[in-house]
Amino acid sequence: NAGVTQTPKFQVLKTGQSMTLQCAQDMNHNSMYWYRQDPGMGLRLIYYSASEGTTDKGEVPNGYNVSRLNKREFSLRLESAAPSQTSVYFCASSGDNTEAFFGQGTRLTVV
Amino acid sequence: DAKTTQPPSMDCAEGRAANLPCNHSTISGNEYVYWYRQIHSQGPQYIIHGLKNNETNEMASLIITEDRKSSTLILPHATLRDTAVYYCIVRASNRDDKIIFGKGTRLHILP
Repeated sequence: NAGVTQTPKFQVLKTGQSMTLQCAQDMNHNSMYWYRQDPGMGLRLIYYSASEGTTDKGEVPNGYNVSRLNKREFSLRLESAAPSQTSVYFCASSGDNTEAFFGQGTRLTVV
Repeated sequence: DAKTTQPPSMDCAEGRAANLPCNHSTISGNEYVYWYRQIHSQGPQYIIHGLKNNETNEMASLIITEDRKSSTLILPHATLRDTAVYYCIVRASNRDDKIIFGKGTRLHILP
């Protein structure tokens, strides 16, 4: 039982490059989330998905797109990376009225 | 925006009880109080949650005031490993409700 798995763990991008962060959960959860955390700050919600086939914007969606590929997988795409997107990205999942489980994070640097 | 207010930091002596307060004066009737903690730069970890009754598990106790406008997380015998940022979150029971983090409380356990 792996919980929430994020790939990659580390990534360096050049400004303007694109990439997709992958997230998968094996707990049959309906809801999945993407957060970013800047140094010394709390987590800010980028996008979330309450169920397969639905996605909604969070607090800081600009510059990102998401895909809920199926119930297990929720990916986050940066179409044209900017230095302001340098951050640690966390994926999470939760069942209905249950606690959320978080991945170990992806550390992204945009140069 | 986060629906909770927490002190930015607190100190607690090792072996003593750590009492972390949280204000959620606008909480709705169907919203639960959840507590998570984040150790260093790992993904947040669930601690405990409750609706209106006090709750206890192997990690902590949660005391919710009768009017539900505030709560206290109690770590009964704090150890150095409890040094972390603690987040109090309110979240409704329906799956569509987002999980929004505030700034949390940075708890320092003093040897």
